[in-house]
Amino acid sequence: EPEVTQTPSHQVTQMGQEVILRCVPISNHLYFYWYRQILGQKVEFLVSFYNNEISEKSEIFDDQFSVERPDGSNFTLKIRSTKLEDSAMYFCASRDTSGRALGETQYFGPGTRLLVL
Amino acid sequence: AQKVTQAQTEISVVEKEDVTLDCVYETRDTTYYLFWYKQPPSGELVFLIRRNSFDEQNEISGRYSWNFQKSTSSFNFTITASQVVDSAVYFCALREENTGFQKLVFGTGTRLLVSP
Repeated sequence: EPEVTQTPSHQVTQMGQEVILRCVPISNHLYFYWYRQILGQKVEFLVSFYNNEISEKSEIFDDQFSVERPDGSNFTLKIRSTKLEDSAMYFCASRDTSGRALGETQYFGPGTRLLVL
Repeated sequence: AQKVTQAQTEISVVEKEDVTLDCVYETRDTTYYLFWYKQPPSGELVFLIRRNSFDEQNEISGRYSWNFQKSTSSFNFTITASQVVDSAVYFCALREENTGFQKLVFGTGTRLLVSP
């Protein structure tokens, strides 16, 4: 069964460093998302991406964040200068538009746990 | 504004007990989807079910069942004869169809602990 994959599974970085989190969405999906979950809290929407551009972003997604689809398979989240409060689990999700009954569900990757020291 | 409330922070049951997880949502949209996701200790988010706002039929899948009631804006999830493997955090989520690209809004989750 197709699945969303994310690398790395864990990343430790120093405050102020840049990190890039990578995702490979399900191959025929067209909508891509990033969410984050601070430890013990709920999952929060960061950004959605369609047709090579951001379609919606939350107030969390400030100028330190950027997303990119550098090729036909990868979808990345970059944090330019990490802060302590960026420590969280980051989930990538994708969704297709086939119109089938399950076509509107977002499927999540396993997450990248980011720790900023 | 869209909002999902899961008032139960943590529920502890003994194996084989039935347990119901509550979810109440708020939306002004007439077309929306509701979801349940399971987050086991390993951390991933596992999709369980999706319902749309026009389909109030309850659904049963094995030991899992869902009760969608628009009149009370609730979408409750029941696990029958719970098992230790059901121990996880369960999230209810809402997606409105008319607000752009359909982000999910999650509740705060209910941690279910099933002891042997």
